[in-house]
Amino acid sequence: KAGVTQTPRYLIKTRGQQVTLSCSPISGHRSVSWYQQTPGQGLQFLFEYFSETQRNKGNFPGRFSGRQFSNSRSEMNVSTLELGDSALYLCASSQLPNQETQYFGPGTRLLVL
Amino acid sequence: QKEVEQNSGPLSVPEGAIASLNCTYSDRVSQSFFWYRQYSGKSPELIMSIYSNGDKEDGRFTAQLNKASQYVSLLIRDSQPSDSATYLCAVSGNAGNMLTFGGGTRLMVKP
Repeated sequence: KAGVTQTPRYLIKTRGQQVTLSCSPISGHRSVSWYQQTPGQGLQFLFEYFSETQRNKGNFPGRFSGRQFSNSRSEMNVSTLELGDSALYLCASSQLPNQETQYFGPGTRLLVL
Repeated sequence: QKEVEQNSGPLSVPEGAIASLNCTYSDRVSQSFFWYRQYSGKSPELIMSIYSNGDKEDGRFTAQLNKASQYVSLLIRDSQPSDSATYLCAVSGNAGNMLTFGGGTRLMVKP
């Protein structure tokens, strides 16, 4: 079975721009979660989707948003990029929406200049 | 206050030794516990999951959970240089799949 895939793998943007990241979960997995990883803050939860519905949201500003499609693929969007948004953005998928083992994709490394 | 605490390390052990990694958590409603390994520049890779008190063994890895003490640990037997990585403890509550991660412990296994 193919793992979680994320595109693009690397991205360079400038402050004020917006960015969209994509995640395709493992086949059959319907829950997708997004995390941000930075050296200073570690791994932090952004949001979780199941059946196209956001179930949980982390403590991030409204500039961070996401959605899930009917095929379980998910996108996250960051608008008005700030330097501090430079991070590794990780997507994780699981079969079901509660306390399930999550499998991470390779991540998208975003650099904001 | 950080909800999941780990010693940042580095924890240095000789090859063949047992590495012991520890994690404490503050939320008593936490239900699911996970250990991930992350190599530098890579994404986290699941090692173990544990849901009930006691020990769970998988190959060279043993996870231990004590909910009363709000403590979870990972033992790595016969440590190999390839085990050198950052080990992340993650905790999930009783709603959804939201994981709260500790800061990770960097393990170095010296040949």
